[in-house]
Amino acid sequence: QQQVKQSPQSLIVQKGGISIINCAYENTAFDYFPWYQQFPGKGPALLIAIRPDVSEKKEGRFTISFNKSAKQFSLHIMDSQPGDSATYFCAASTQGGSEKLVFGKGTKLTVNP
Amino acid sequence: ETGVTQSPTHLIKTRGQQVTLRCSSQSGHNTVSWYQQALGQGPQFIFQYYREEENGRGNFPPRFSGLQFPNYSSELNVNALELDDSALYLCASSFGGPRTDTQYFGPGTRLTVL
Repeated sequence: QQQVKQSPQSLIVQKGGISIINCAYENTAFDYFPWYQQFPGKGPALLIAIRPDVSEKKEGRFTISFNKSAKQFSLHIMDSQPGDSATYFCAASTQGGSEKLVFGKGTKLTVNP
Repeated sequence: ETGVTQSPTHLIKTRGQQVTLRCSSQSGHNTVSWYQQALGQGPQFIFQYYREEENGRGNFPPRFSGLQFPNYSSELNVNALELDDSALYLCASSFGGPRTDTQYFGPGTRLTVL
């Protein structure tokens, strides 16, 4: 039973383009939605997170858009750079914070120079 | 670097054996969580320890057990290893109790079960 569905599985973007990764969830008790970035051989690192009281959060080139009624949230990476090439995971928690996270299956992003 | 370290980096075991993985939390962090990440999948929550007590468990059998020590370092023990236990095991530490915004992951231990 996959509680957080992530798409696409892989994404190729040109340098300077916009990368968009989507996630959908079913459990309405989720109240914390982070995105993690993982490079090969490393553990995941928190990129940006949002709570359901706001519809959008922006940090630098990274933006989370959140649609509570549709139970969907997405990550937008503006001006994508080759250094952004990594695997991105969306996640969700019912604990109001970063504990007991339920992760999506991941999106492998490749940004071509 | 996050300051969370894990040992060993890689480990090869055979089916039926037991294994202990170790995690050293970032300084001052009192909460540690363990996750299993199968190849090509997202991490799956195993359990969390807060101030040396288990504070929640995911859908993993009892042969997965853990400890947190007074210095907040932690161990994950897996008994009666199965082939499907082959995965990257991640620990993550955080400060200020379980409802914190930020937790830091270690680089993981790659376990291969033959």
